[in-house]
Amino acid sequence: AQSVTQPDIHITVSEGASLELRCNYSYGATPYLFWYVQSPGQGLQLLLKYFSGDTLVQGIKGFEAEFKRSQSSFNLRKPSVHWSDAAEYFCAAPNSGGYQKVTFGTGTKLQVIP
Amino acid sequence: NAGVTQTPKFRILKIGQSMTLQCAQDMNHNYMYWYRQDPGMGLKLIYYSVGAGITDKGEVPNGYNVSRSTTEDFPLRLELAAPSQTSVYFCASNGAYNSPLHFGNGTRLTVT
Repeated sequence: AQSVTQPDIHITVSEGASLELRCNYSYGATPYLFWYVQSPGQGLQLLLKYFSGDTLVQGIKGFEAEFKRSQSSFNLRKPSVHWSDAAEYFCAAPNSGGYQKVTFGTGTKLQVIP
Repeated sequence: NAGVTQTPKFRILKIGQSMTLQCAQDMNHNYMYWYRQDPGMGLKLIYYSVGAGITDKGEVPNGYNVSRSTTEDFPLRLELAAPSQTSVYFCASNGAYNSPLHFGNGTRLTVT
């Protein structure tokens, strides 16, 4: 069975500090992977995606993520967090039951303190 | 440039009532999805469709029904509302199975 795990439910960082949000997946074949961000009361917006090729992918708002097959991870990073980055972040990957069935992690809520 | 439009934004239902959550997209996407989001649980797939006339169950289909008569529309039907269906519902679409999802802004449903 496929699953996506985000081990951190809630993270607090200071503005200007670096950020890393963890995501682990279990999927037999090379997956395609996504990170989405959700602001309060909004739908989800794509931050970045990995499909193939370069394992370090750049996204919007200064975010990047690195695909590490050996660790089954796709961690999201940002070198310097801004107060506007406070939101909930979701990692997503295909379900082994069918590529159409994208599975989401449980989310990591990011709080940014001045 | 509407994207994915969901109506209504909010709804309160009594137990046993029925309703339809509407979803429409104007991007000519073949794939459409319904998710529900509960606190701390992420998004769970209810139903999805790979094209007009074709639908299939996701992880949590019980208590829901869908239809896809056109490319644009993918309504979600709750026949006998139960408190367990209190949730935020998101409709999404994409043009190919491995493309990013485009989400609507959600429908917040409360069943009491």
